[in-house]
Amino acid sequence: EPEVTQTPSHQVTQMGQEVILRCVPISNHLYFYWYRQILGQKVEFLVSFYNNEISEKSEIFDDQFSVERPDGSNFTLKIRSTKLEDSAMYFCASSAHRATNEKLFFGSGTQLSVL
Amino acid sequence: DQQVKQNSPSLSVQEGRISILNCDYTNSMFDYFLWYKKYPAEGPTFLISISSIKDKNEDGRFTVFLNKSAKHLSLHIVPSQPGDSAVYFCAASDKWGDDKIIFGKGTRLHILP
Repeated sequence: EPEVTQTPSHQVTQMGQEVILRCVPISNHLYFYWYRQILGQKVEFLVSFYNNEISEKSEIFDDQFSVERPDGSNFTLKIRSTKLEDSAMYFCASSAHRATNEKLFFGSGTQLSVL
Repeated sequence: DQQVKQNSPSLSVQEGRISILNCDYTNSMFDYFLWYKKYPAEGPTFLISISSIKDKNEDGRFTVFLNKSAKHLSLHIVPSQPGDSAVYFCAASDKWGDDKIIFGKGTRLHILP
């Protein structure tokens, strides 16, 4: 079965540094998402992306965050200046249609640790 | 603001018995509900869903029940198997709204031998 691939699986960074989390969504999917889960808390929506632009973002997704689809296969999440509270598991997901009425396919996640 | 609530952080069930995981929601605009299962070191995987026009959906050992008046849904797993041990997330979306799916905090299910 096709799958969403995320790299790296673990990322350790110093506070204030920039990080880029990478994802390769399922090839024929059109909708892409980033979610995160802080340890012990719920999975939270960050952003959705369709047709090369952000279609929805949460209040967590502030100016420090950006997303990009630099080529036909990769989908990246950049955090410009990481904070301690950005430490979380970040999940990329994709779907063939809009998330409403459609299941999402998630990657295995990138565990981001900000020191 | 917990629109999707899973009030039991964990549940232990004997192998072969029925597992019942519960979920409550507050947003009456939600019209599509999903259950995801998550193993350690993996992303959530889709398990089963239900539209608000139905009150039951069954797929093999998994059945989801929806009670709209009570804003409550439940996932039944019968019979429970050791491989069912995982964290189960209830999730919901609003088809007239935006793209995001709202997740609950999850319930960790332990299947006991």
